[in-house]
Amino acid sequence: KNQVEQSPQSLIILEGKNCTLQCNYTVSPFSNLRWYKQDTGRGPVSLTIMTFSENTKSNGRYTATLDADTKQSSLHITASQLSDSASYICVVRMRGSQGNLIFGKGTKLSVKP
Amino acid sequence: DTAVSQTPKYLVTQMGNDKSIKCEQNLGHDTMYWYKQDSKKFLKIMFSYNNKELIINETVPNRFSPKSPDKAHLNLHINSLELGDSAVYFCASSQDRVAYDEQYFGPGTRLTVT
Repeated sequence: KNQVEQSPQSLIILEGKNCTLQCNYTVSPFSNLRWYKQDTGRGPVSLTIMTFSENTKSNGRYTATLDADTKQSSLHITASQLSDSASYICVVRMRGSQGNLIFGKGTKLSVKP
Repeated sequence: DTAVSQTPKYLVTQMGNDKSIKCEQNLGHDTMYWYKQDSKKFLKIMFSYNNKELIINETVPNRFSPKSPDKAHLNLHINSLELGDSAVYFCASSQDRVAYDEQYFGPGTRLTVT
């Protein structure tokens, strides 16, 4: 069954601290993996898209890693800010003409002052 | 400028009614989507559509139908609403349906069926 599992479900950190969010997937055939940020009451916004051959990709203070062998990805947030408070969703796209996106449930991050 | 917009933002209605949610994108994209985010926060694709092809998730009841008056609009019509239809519905668009295309999401429409 094609699934995307994320951990932890929720996380509270202090402003300025770093954190790492995890994503494990069983989706096959694999095309690419995406991380989205979803603010409360808003639609998801893409942070990164990683293909099979990419191990690390950065977008400002966000760094995503991908291990296609173990089917794991992580999103590392450096020097967190209050505006980082959001849900972070891991999404895997299946290879093929329909290219279905399989969404994880998300990790809800709260950054406290 | 808003890239993908949806109206209304909130919709409260009774069981059995028929309702529509509108979506517009000003990005010049060829492909649009509808997603449903349920109470467990999972996002699931309902439809993807461009001027060539409509792809329907087979789990979507036929009470749901997308209607596209033009390339910039993809509206969602729901007939005979049921309690289980309560969710947040997101519209999205991408340049095409290729694997690495970025999808841009609208702000969502929270539908509550009473």
